[in-house]
Amino acid sequence: GAVVSQHPSWVICKSGTSVKIECRSLDFQATTMFWYRQFPKQSLMLMATSNEGSKATYEQGVEKDKFLINHASLTLSTLTVTSAHPEDSSFYICSAKGRAPGELFFGEGSRLTVL
Amino acid sequence: SQQGEEDPQALSIQEGENATMNCSYKTSINNLQWYRQNSGRGLVHLILIRSNEREKHSGRLRVTLDTSKKSSSLLITASRAADTASYFCATPYGGATNKLIFGTGTLLAVQP
Repeated sequence: GAVVSQHPSWVICKSGTSVKIECRSLDFQATTMFWYRQFPKQSLMLMATSNEGSKATYEQGVEKDKFLINHASLTLSTLTVTSAHPEDSSFYICSAKGRAPGELFFGEGSRLTVL
Repeated sequence: SQQGEEDPQALSIQEGENATMNCSYKTSINNLQWYRQNSGRGLVHLILIRSNEREKHSGRLRVTLDTSKKSSSLLITASRAADTASYFCATPYGGATNKLIFGTGTLLAVQP
């Protein structure tokens, strides 16, 4: 089956630094990817829709200058958390749209800890 | 918030018992999906039920959908310790088929 890979799977950084998380579709092309954030023991909250070759669409309340999304190729979307703070510590999960309607594949997630 | 509600929030059962989780959602949908998440991992798609379907089976999973009540249930029969995970329902959002809103989730613990 289709596989979506996220890297890194976990990262620890100092407050004020920027962290980039990659989401790759390994054996299919994904024109659309989605980024979610999940706090401990909570559900996934949709952050933004990443569209290949165009600007990302952010959900209400998500700062686009804080969470930079780039989808420069059909197999790669990146999420950069800029000037990270401890409250940005979370589990970030991406998903990629497959060919069939409603088909969606999730990455394994990236755990960010900001000290 | 568009997020759906699930109940119970947590469920603890013995191996071999059945587990039932319920999901309520807020808007009209054309499908509803259930996902499983092991602790600290990504999501695994379990089953999709369309709005014109009332019940669907997949192995030990049985999903029902009641569009009049905007609710769905997931039944896991003959549970195993390996079924221990969080289970989420998800519905399409904003008219997009692949853009999903997730429910609050049910944490299932199956005791061996």
